[in-house]
Amino acid sequence: EDQVTQSPEALRLQEGESSSLNCSYTVSGLRGLFWYRQDPGKGPEFLFTLYSAGEEKEKERLKATLTKKESFLHITAPKPEDSATYLCAVQHDAGNMLTFGGGTRLMVKP
Amino acid sequence: ETGVTQSPTHLIKTRGQQVTLRCSSQSGHNTVSWYQQALGQGPQFIFQYYREEENGRGNFPPRFSGLQFPNYSSELNVNALELDDSALYLCASSWTGEGAPLHFGNGTRLTVT
Repeated sequence: EDQVTQSPEALRLQEGESSSLNCSYTVSGLRGLFWYRQDPGKGPEFLFTLYSAGEEKEKERLKATLTKKESFLHITAPKPEDSATYLCAVQHDAGNMLTFGGGTRLMVKP
Repeated sequence: ETGVTQSPTHLIKTRGQQVTLRCSSQSGHNTVSWYQQALGQGPQFIFQYYREEENGRGNFPPRFSGLQFPNYSSELNVNALELDDSALYLCASSWTGEGAPLHFGNGTRLTVT
């Protein structure tokens, strides 16, 4: 059974204070690992897909990396508008369904 | 490009009632899936439809059922509502291609009293 664990559950940062969010996963046959951002009262917004260990993707202040057991979402010099819940999910090779972690709630204070 | 739209945005029902939630897929997408998100948790997969057939189901009882229409819009039906069914219900659409990302709507907030 696929499992995804995210840590920490919540993270408070000062504006400009860089940090990383962790996503540990167990999946039989990884088709893709996905990162989403979710604002309160909204649906998840797609950020990145990573397909194989060693792969990296970047978008503005965010950088996602992937190993065989973990993925990290690095946030460089965050701004208050980066405050949101960040969700990690895996898709295994038997279908399109996603297994999500519980998310990391990020709060960036000015 | 039109994104995924869901209706209604909020709904209050009484235990034992039935509910139907609706979703319009993003233009060009042929697969639709539904997820349940309890407060403070990640979304959980309910089921997926492709070409109007269910082709994947999570650990949800048969009282959760769905439909996909020829225009790729979809419905989620829940019978005999229970208090634990209170959650945000998310619809997502995608292509069936390998590793294709799911694009989510903003959900329907269902409260069962």
